[in-house]
Amino acid sequence: QVQLQESGPGLVKPSETLALTCNVSGVSVTRAPYSWGWFRQPPGRGLEWIASISFSGSTSYNPSLKSRVTMSVDTTKNQFSLDLRSVTATDTAVFYCTRQDYDSGGHTKMVYWGQGAQVTVSS
Amino acid sequence: DIQLTQSPSSLSASVGDRITITCRASRGIKEFLNWYQLRPGKGPRLLIYAASILENGVPSSFSGSGSGTDFTLTITSLQPEDFATYFCQQSYILPYTFGHGTKVEIK
Repeated sequence: QVQLQESGPGLVKPSETLALTCNVSGVSVTRAPYSWGWFRQPPGRGLEWIASISFSGSTSYNPSLKSRVTMSVDTTKNQFSLDLRSVTATDTAVFYCTRQDYDSGGHTKMVYWGQGAQVTVSS
Repeated sequence: DIQLTQSPSSLSASVGDRITITCRASRGIKEFLNWYQLRPGKGPRLLIYAASILENGVPSSFSGSGSGTDFTLTITSLQPEDFATYFCQQSYILPYTFGHGTKVEIK
């Protein structure tokens, strides 16, 4: 059974770096053809895609966040991580990790999600 | 970026009602449209992918339709567990984008 679980600091000070980890069980993060992603939902707003990383380690970033984001995979721990630098109060959100699946028609779908990690940016 | 406009932003309905949520894309996205349900304290749940394909394990009371720029999610016979927020999401091109959500509340 595939499961994902986010872990993070909960509270981060402005200008610091937010570091989140997603622990994956039930499947290897290097298994093709899956990709892995980070999304967030600020309070009162919709979901936003942050970044994705493929089974081979290729990354994609939302252009709106690209200058502040790094996503990586640790194959030895079967987890992937997100660093968001220079945070401000507008980065306060629930952060979700997910697995990206693909069907035969090339459609991307996110079936497996973590339950979400609340991160608040405040001094 | 592709903008997704969802309507309504909220609605009140009763158990057993049929509801329809619409999602309009700012440009054509073929059938690359997914629908998710979000409940407090839980991760999003995929309901429909590729505009009309029901994800495994999702009740047949959920259905999706559309292609190009106009899409709908229909729930026939609302159940108590269906009161939640629903989002559309396009997977046609990066960056993936979402609608602002439709909150379905109990009347």
